[in-house]
Formats: sequence, structure tokens, C-alpha cells
Amino acid sequence: AQRVTQPEKLLSVFKGAPVELKCNYSYSGSPELFWYVQYSRQRLQLLLRHISRESIKGFTADLNKGETSFHLKKPFAQEEDSAMYYCAPMGGGGNKLTFGTGTQLKVEL
Amino acid sequence: DGGITQSPKYLFRKEGQNVTLSCEQNLNHDAMYWYRQDPGQGLRLIYYSQIVNDFQKGDIAEGYSVSREKKESFPLTVTSAQKNPTAFYLCASSNEHYPSYNEQFFGPGTRLTVL
Repeated sequence: AQRVTQPEKLLSVFKGAPVELKCNYSYSGSPELFWYVQYSRQRLQLLLRHISRESIKGFTADLNKGETSFHLKKPFAQEEDSAMYYCAPMGGGGNKLTFGTGTQLKVEL
Repeated sequence: DGGITQSPKYLFRKEGQNVTLSCEQNLNHDAMYWYRQDPGQGLRLIYYSQIVNDFQKGDIAEGYSVSREKKESFPLTVTSAQKNPTAFYLCASSNEHYPSYNEQFFGPGTRLTVL
């Protein structure tokens, strides 16, 4: 069965501190990997996808196929990064996403 | 925010009643999806449709039904058979064309409460 694990329900860091949101997946084949973000009172939206290898809003995500992990990182957290983050592999028929349970990131001053 | 709309924003239903949630998109996307979001459980896929007049069950389809008669519209009916329908429902759409290849665009959601 396809599974996504985000072990931290809540992650609280101070502004300027490094951030790492963990994601481990168990998936058949080689899924395409995404991070989605939901800011307060906004829609769920794509943050970044592995295949594009972009850095969005200072975030990067490294795929480790050996560990089947896709952790999201940012060297210096900003207050506006406070949001709910979802890791979501895509695979199987229909290009279906499987969402993790999400990590609420809170950046404190 | 245009693109994909959901209505109503809030919906109250009595037990035993069916209710239909609307989802419309003007992005010309082929694929559309319905998710249910519960606290602590992330998003779970209810139904999805890759093309007009075709749809497939997701992980938690029991007690729900959909139709896809038009490309722009993918309504979700929550039937009285759904045991725990109170939740936040999200609709999304996607296409397979560059540059938004496989990116899912989400609506604002409908919060359904069963009284």
C-alpha cells in the first residue's frame, strides 16, 4: 500500500533558524514528489515539485531514494513561512496524489 | 483567485438527507478530484475523473457519488449512506500540459456539517 509519513504534527522554530520538515514515503515504482502548502485563509497550493529541482521561497527538497525520504528544508525561517505543509507523492493510475497528514510550521519571533 | 470555485462555502444537512457540493473550473483542465480533509488526517481522495463522462473511486468513495457530464463541472453528492459526513471537502483540477504539468489547483473548499 502507498503510504506517506510526516512524523511531526507541529514544528515550532524561531525566526532565522533552519527548518526541516520530514517526509518518508512507501510507494511502488518511482513516484513524482510534491510539497503543497496551505497558508492561513488561503487555498492549498503547490510549493515545489522534485522534478523541477527549483527553490521556491527559499525552500528546497532533497529526494533520498535509499531512505525513501523527501524532506523539505529552508536555511532561515521567516514569519511568513508559518503554514501547514503536506508532502504528496503522485503515482498509480490517474495521477493520484497521496497526502501525508501534514506538519504545521510555526515561526516565532 | 478564480479558476476553480466551490459552493456553498458552508452547508448544513440533517441526518438522512443527501446533499450535493458544487465544483466548477474554467482552467480547461481534463482531470478533477474530490478530497476530504479531517483534522489530523490530511487529505483523502474520494473520487477523481480524468476525462468527461468517466470517473474512478478513490480511497474513501463509500457513501459518495459523482458525475462528470461537462468538462467544467464535477459535483459531489454526499449520500445518507456516508456514516461520518461532517468534514471539509476540497475539489481540485489538473492537466498534463507544460508548465503546470500534474500540478493540482485547489478550490476554497466547502465545510459540511451534519446536524
